[in-house]
Amino acid sequence: NAGVTQTPKFQVLKTGQSMTLQCAQDMNHNSMYWYRQDPGMGLRLIYYSASEGTTDKGEVPNGYNVSRLNKREFSLRLESAAPSQTSVYFCASLRVRNTEAFFGQGTRLTVV
Amino acid sequence: DAKTTQPPSMDCAEGRAANLPCNHSTISGNEYVYWYRQIHSQGPQYIIHGLKNNETNEMASLIITEDRKSSTLILPHATLRDTAVYYCIVRAPNSNSGYALNFGKGTSLLVTP
Repeated sequence: NAGVTQTPKFQVLKTGQSMTLQCAQDMNHNSMYWYRQDPGMGLRLIYYSASEGTTDKGEVPNGYNVSRLNKREFSLRLESAAPSQTSVYFCASLRVRNTEAFFGQGTRLTVV
Repeated sequence: DAKTTQPPSMDCAEGRAANLPCNHSTISGNEYVYWYRQIHSQGPQYIIHGLKNNETNEMASLIITEDRKSSTLILPHATLRDTAVYYCIVRAPNSNSGYALNFGKGTSLLVTP
């Protein structure tokens, strides 16, 4: 039981490049989330998916797109990376309401 | 979801109880209080949650005031490994924001030898 797995763990991009951050969970959870965390800051919600087939914007969605590929996988895409998107990205999943969320170990992204 | 207010930082001596407060004065009747912690840039880890009764598990205790406008997370015997950022979150099971989990800046707890 791996929990929530994020790939890659580290990535360096040049400004304007695109990439997709992958997230998969093996706990049969319904809801999945993407957060970013800048140095010394709390987590800010980018997008979330309450259930398979649905996605919603969070607090800071600009510059990102998401895909809930199936129940297990929720990907985050940067179409044209900018230095302001340098951050640590966390994926999380939640089984149902009023249960605890499980987080991945993060993807550390640097855009130069 | 109700907004929460936490002190930005706290210190605690090793072996003593750490009491982390959270204010959620606009909490609604069906909103739960959740606590998570984040150790040194790892992914956040769930600690405990409750509605109105006090709760205890192997990690911590959660004390919610009778009017539910504030709560306290208690780590009964803090260790150096409890040094982390602690987040208090309030959310409702059927919130209009769907199932969004919104974290604030949390409280940075430093446990000292």
